[in-house]
Amino acid sequence: DQQVKQNSPSLSVQEGRISILNCDYTNSMFDYFLWYKKYPAEGPTFLISISSIKDKNEDGRFTVFLNKSAKHLSLHIVPSQPGDSAVYFCAASASWGGSEKLVFGKGTKLTVNP
Amino acid sequence: GAVVSQHPSWVICKSGTSVKIECRSLDFQATTMFWYRQFPKQSLMLMATSNEGSKATYEQGVEKDKFLINHASLTLSTLTVTSAHPEDSSFYICSVHGTSNQPQHFGDGTRLSIL
Repeated sequence: DQQVKQNSPSLSVQEGRISILNCDYTNSMFDYFLWYKKYPAEGPTFLISISSIKDKNEDGRFTVFLNKSAKHLSLHIVPSQPGDSAVYFCAASASWGGSEKLVFGKGTKLTVNP
Repeated sequence: GAVVSQHPSWVICKSGTSVKIECRSLDFQATTMFWYRQFPKQSLMLMATSNEGSKATYEQGVEKDKFLINHASLTLSTLTVTSAHPEDSSFYICSVHGTSNQPQHFGDGTRLSIL
């Protein structure tokens, strides 16, 4: 049973437009959510995170929105740039024995077309 | 600069071989490191939590006798895939956890191919 779901395996947008990547989760114990970006043959790179006490966190072109009641979060990238083309993973964590165990979605491949 | 160094990046070996993968924390001392595995078109799945100076904590379904984890120092954890078989072929990646308010930082992963 997948606890973190990214239902869109791929997304294609034009340069300069907004990219919206979605993520749903099922475990109400999750209280910390992260987005990672991954290029081929590289490890995931941390992008932005949000705590469950917030509903929005912004960092430059990247904004993450959290809707706890819907157990849904989204990553907005605006304006999108060709260099943003990568696989984006949503991850969630809860206090499992005090560790920061991360549960990942399957990822969404974003392609930004020039 | 890189926070985590993982080596080797790519391994091809025969069935039955044991393979060791190293994960080094470059920027800070890490009492906790994590080992994940990713099969094609799947998510990264946590295999085990590596704790410095103590035994690793394995996730359900992960054989601890097959995937040996050693975390002998605050900057190095190793994962040894013992007697590897083709079904062990996967992308193995480690992460380092700093403080509770910081995200995990990942290595670049190891592509393991067992023939």
